[in-house]
Amino acid sequence: ELQLVQSGAEVKKPGESLKISCKVSGDSFTNYWIAWVRQMPGKGLEWMGIIYPRDSDTRYSPSFSGQVTISADKSISTAYLQWSSLKASDTAMYYCARLISVGGLDIWGQGTMVIVSS
Amino acid sequence: EILLTQSPATLSLSPGERATLSCRASQSVSGYLAWYQQKPGQAPRLLIYDTSIRATGIPARFSGSGSGTDFTLTISSLEPEDFAVYYCQQRDNWAGTFGQGTKVEIK
Repeated sequence: ELQLVQSGAEVKKPGESLKISCKVSGDSFTNYWIAWVRQMPGKGLEWMGIIYPRDSDTRYSPSFSGQVTISADKSISTAYLQWSSLKASDTAMYYCARLISVGGLDIWGQGTMVIVSS
Repeated sequence: EILLTQSPATLSLSPGERATLSCRASQSVSGYLAWYQQKPGQAPRLLIYDTSIRATGIPARFSGSGSGTDFTLTISSLEPEDFAVYYCQQRDNWAGTFGQGTKVEIK
C-alpha cells in the first residue's frame, strides 16, 4: 500500500531557508506525479505545484512560481519543497499527495506544519 | 488559471437530509474534476474523481455530476461523520486549482 510520510513540524525565523520532505513507500516512486498543497491557518487548500520524479519535470502554480522550489530524489523515493528565504506569510500546513492520471489526489501525506515567526 | 467558485459557503443540515454542493468553474473543465472531504486536524480525503467516479472505499451516498463549468457533489442522506468541509478541484494542463470550500454543519 502506497504511503506518503512527511517530515516533522518546523519553526523558523523570517529570512531562513527550509526544505521539507515527503517520502514515498509501497509503490514505484517514479510512476506518479507528486503534488504539494498549502493550507494556511483556518483557510482552504491551495495547489502549489507538481513534480514527476522519473525526470523531475516540474509544474508550478502561477502563485507559487519563484517562491518555492519543488524537487525529488529518485534514489530515496523522496520529494521536497524548499524555500530560500521564509516569510511570516509562509506559515501554513503543507501536504504532499499523489496525483492520479484523471486528476485527483488520492493518497496524502500527514502534513508538515511550518511556522515562521521572529 | 481556472478559478473554481463553490456555493454555498456553509450548508446547515440535519442528519438524514440531502446535501447538494455546487462548484462553478471560470471556464470549461476537461473533466478532471475531483471532490475532497476534510475534517479538522486531518488531511483531505479524495471522494470523487473524474467528475463522477467514487474513490476506493467511498460510500454510495456520495455522488458527483456535471460537465463544462457546473459541477455538483450530492450526499444523499447525511450521516453524522459527513459533517466536514468539502473542496472541489480541477486539473487543466497540469495546473490545478481548488475551490474555496463548503462547510457542511449540523443544523
